[in-house]
Amino acid sequence: EAEVAQSPRYKITEKSQAVAFWCDPISGHATLYWYRQILGQGPELLVQFQDESVVDDSQLPKDRFSAERLKGVDSTLKIQPAELGDSAMYLCASSPGVGTGELFFGEGSRLTVL
Amino acid sequence: AQTVTQSQPEMSVQEAETVTLSCTYDTSESNYYLFWYKQPPSRQMILVIRQEAYKQQNATENRFSVNFQKAAKSFSLKISDSQLGDTAMYFCAFRPFLGAGSYQLTFGKGTKLSVIP
Repeated sequence: EAEVAQSPRYKITEKSQAVAFWCDPISGHATLYWYRQILGQGPELLVQFQDESVVDDSQLPKDRFSAERLKGVDSTLKIQPAELGDSAMYLCASSPGVGTGELFFGEGSRLTVL
Repeated sequence: AQTVTQSQPEMSVQEAETVTLSCTYDTSESNYYLFWYKQPPSRQMILVIRQEAYKQQNATENRFSVNFQKAAKSFSLKISDSQLGDTAMYFCAFRPFLGAGSYQLTFGKGTKLSVIP
């Protein structure tokens, strides 16, 4: 069964360092999302792509976060510099972009900033 | 903007018993989708059940069913014959049917369900 792949699963970094997360969505899924999930909270959308274009990045802290999906397939989320408050699970999800809009999630990348 | 509220941070249920998780939402939309997602410990989030707001009939998926009350903006999840594998965080989520953000999910804060042997 096709799955959303994410790496790394775990990342520990010191504040002010750069960190990057990678996501490979289910083949053929045009829409890709990055969500941030703070421990004990629900996921919150950071950025949404439709193919290679950003649809919504209104909640992305653009002074330190960037996201790209250059060829409309896989995507990278970068944080530079990392801050203590960035410690969270970063979830990638994809959807076909049509139909009922079910999102398919990866296992997530857990970031700890020391 | 839509909001989703889950008022039960934690719940527990005996194995084989029935449990109901609550969810309320606020929206000005007339057509939308509602979802329950399950997030087991250290595993990815998966869809449990989906409800289209224009359908009056409550959705069911095996042991999982919903009680959708559109006027009250309530969307509860009932798990029958609870199993140990049902132990997880459960998130209620909302998605508009059309328009801006129509493919985005807004999530509640989740309910941690523990099934006790």
